[in-house]
Amino acid sequence: DGGITQSPKYLFRKEGQNVTLSCEQNLNHDAMYWYRQDPGQGLRLIYYSQIVNDFQKGDIAEGYSVSREKKESFPLTVTSAQKNPTAFYLCASSIRDLSYNEQFFGPGTRLTVL
Amino acid sequence: KNEVEQSPQNLTAQEGEFITINCSYSVGISALHWLQQHPGGGIVSLFMLSSGKKKHGRLIATINIQEKHSSLHITASHPRDSAVYICAVRPFGNEKLTFGTGTRLTIIP
Repeated sequence: DGGITQSPKYLFRKEGQNVTLSCEQNLNHDAMYWYRQDPGQGLRLIYYSQIVNDFQKGDIAEGYSVSREKKESFPLTVTSAQKNPTAFYLCASSIRDLSYNEQFFGPGTRLTVL
Repeated sequence: KNEVEQSPQNLTAQEGEFITINCSYSVGISALHWLQQHPGGGIVSLFMLSSGKKKHGRLIATINIQEKHSSLHITASHPRDSAVYICAVRPFGNEKLTFGTGTRLTIIP
């Protein structure tokens, strides 16, 4: 079945540690996105990538890093520089077309910093 | 002021009622999306529209580009419709989406 997988579903880390969230898609989509969701707020874009080996900062990139070495994979690292990392993280993908941009979302990873 | 405003923020209704959720936006857009987020957190795309009206089962989405307004309707609502419904817009010339804060819908049996 085609889709997006994120792992793990729940993640706990100690303050000061880096942690990497996985996102894999088998939809053959060029574009991939990372969003953060906090209670009472809309999804906010962290990073996005339109093509392999290229990515751009979103609205809240500080304290995060990404890589896009393969078309199907777009891991997100939450670094110790992120001041408030506890949140729900969603990965999405889409075809790269300005006229058609339906995004498909993964199930999300809930990160809690202890 | 947020670029995308949804109303109401919370809505509780009895099973069978007709539901309307509203979305207003302030910028020119090329597309508007309605998304559904269930309690587990996963998000499903319901509709993407740029004009007129779309229907899928009991769900109907309409958009008025001139008024910068969209509505999502649910007919014969059911407890399994309980979820957060999110409106998102894609401004002209922009591949990124701007999201509303969502409407939490609870359908009581």
